[in-house]
Amino acid sequence: KQEVTQIPAALSVPEGENLVLNCSFTDSAIYNLQWFRQDPGKGLTSLLLIQSSQREQTSGRLNASLDKSSGRSTLYIAASQPGDSATYLCAVPVGGGADGLTFGKGTHLIIQP
Amino acid sequence: DTAVSQTPKYLVTQMGNDKSIKCEQNLGHDTMYWYKQDSKKFLKIMFSYNNKELIINETVPNRFSPKSPDKAHLNLHINSLELGDSAVYFCASSPWVNTEAFFGQGTRLTVV
Repeated sequence: KQEVTQIPAALSVPEGENLVLNCSFTDSAIYNLQWFRQDPGKGLTSLLLIQSSQREQTSGRLNASLDKSSGRSTLYIAASQPGDSATYLCAVPVGGGADGLTFGKGTHLIIQP
Repeated sequence: DTAVSQTPKYLVTQMGNDKSIKCEQNLGHDTMYWYKQDSKKFLKIMFSYNNKELIINETVPNRFSPKSPDKAHLNLHINSLELGDSAVYFCASSPWVNTEAFFGQGTRLTVV
C-alpha cells in the first residue's frame, strides 16, 4: 500500500527566502507525481506534474524534482512571496489504473512579509 | 468557464437525511473522482470513474454512491447521513488514468 509523507508539516520563513518542501513515497513504481497548493477554504490547484521518466519540472519560481528509485520528490520555491502562503500537497497515483491519487498530509507554508 | 465545478459549495443537513452533491467538468476528460478531506485536512480517494468503470475505495460505506449520467458529470449521493460524514468533498477529473488531475472548489458538508 502506497504511503506518502511530507516534511516539514509546517514552515514559516521571511519573504525572499528560497525554500524546499519534501515528499517521500513508499512504493517507487509510480507513473508520475503531482504537486498541488491549497489555499484556506479553497480547492486544490495543480502546480506541477512530473512523469516517472523525468527528473525535474519547472514552472516560474517553482521547481520540482523526482528521484523515483529513492522514493523522493522536492518542491523548490525561489524568492518566496507572501502570496505563496498555502498548504502544499504532493500526490502519486494509487495503482496502475484509474484508482485516483494518494496524498501526503501537506506542508503548511507561511511567508512572513 | 470553470473547469471542474461542484454544487453546492456549502451543505448543512440533519442526521438521517439523504443528500446529493453535483460535479461537472467541461474539460472533456474521461476520468472523474470523488475525494474526502477530513477535519485533519487529510485527502483520501473515495471513487474513481473511467469509461463507465467504477472503482470504489473499500473503506467507503455503501451509503455513498456515485452516479454518472454522462462523461462530464459525476454526482455523489449520500444516504442516511451521519455526523462523521461531515467533511469537505472534492470532485476531480483527469484526461485519462494516471494523468494530471484538476480539482473542483469543494463542498463543505456539515451534518448536525
